[in-house]
Amino acid sequence: GESVGLHLPTLSVQEGDNSIINCAYSNSASDYFIWYKQESGKGPQFIIDIRSNMDKRQGQRVTVLLNKTVKHLSLQIAATQPGDSAVYFCAENNYGQNFVFGPGTRLSVLP
Amino acid sequence: DTEVTQTPKHLVMGMTNKKSLKCEQHMGHRAMYWYKQKAKKPPELMFVYSYEKLSINESVPSRFSPECPNSSLLNLHLHALQPEDSALYLCASSQDHFGVDTQYFGPGTRLTVL
Repeated sequence: GESVGLHLPTLSVQEGDNSIINCAYSNSASDYFIWYKQESGKGPQFIIDIRSNMDKRQGQRVTVLLNKTVKHLSLQIAATQPGDSAVYFCAENNYGQNFVFGPGTRLSVLP
Repeated sequence: DTEVTQTPKHLVMGMTNKKSLKCEQHMGHRAMYWYKQKAKKPPELMFVYSYEKLSINESVPSRFSPECPNSSLLNLHLHALQPEDSALYLCASSQDHFGVDTQYFGPGTRLTVL
């Protein structure tokens, strides 16, 4: 079946630098996307979402970009902090259907 | 408040035991979900309840039995599990299952089957 994938399974960044986590999705009918952060031993935590009628959405220190032409989603984290270390999942939803999660990217913040 | 609570936090059970996992939300959400997550993998959907009725069962073995007593509670009854069922079990909720709504997750129950 169709699935969401990530280009980079692990990402290491220096504290204070910006992080970019990428996600490729294959279902062109998907119309809603979420980024989740999952720390060790915890459940996924909602970070930011975007609907298919948008190409950019900003939150506090985070920005999600959606490129429907190439079916690509990215999460940008500004001024990465040690507390940002976690596994990040993208998830896509086709209206009324179930979310499909990507395989995840582990973000490690180096001191 | 976007909190989903789950109990217990950890559970160890033998293959002949019967146990239950509990999930609760007070956000007025009408869709609730059970996911299973193995180490270093994304969550996998098990069940969806919509307006307290089971709407999706992703071919889950019958040793897992979900129950939705009311719109705020979701249980997962476990019986005769196998060691490979050891995983993090996550509950989530959303406004409903018909549109596209954010799913909010609980902290999970770490299950170990001996």
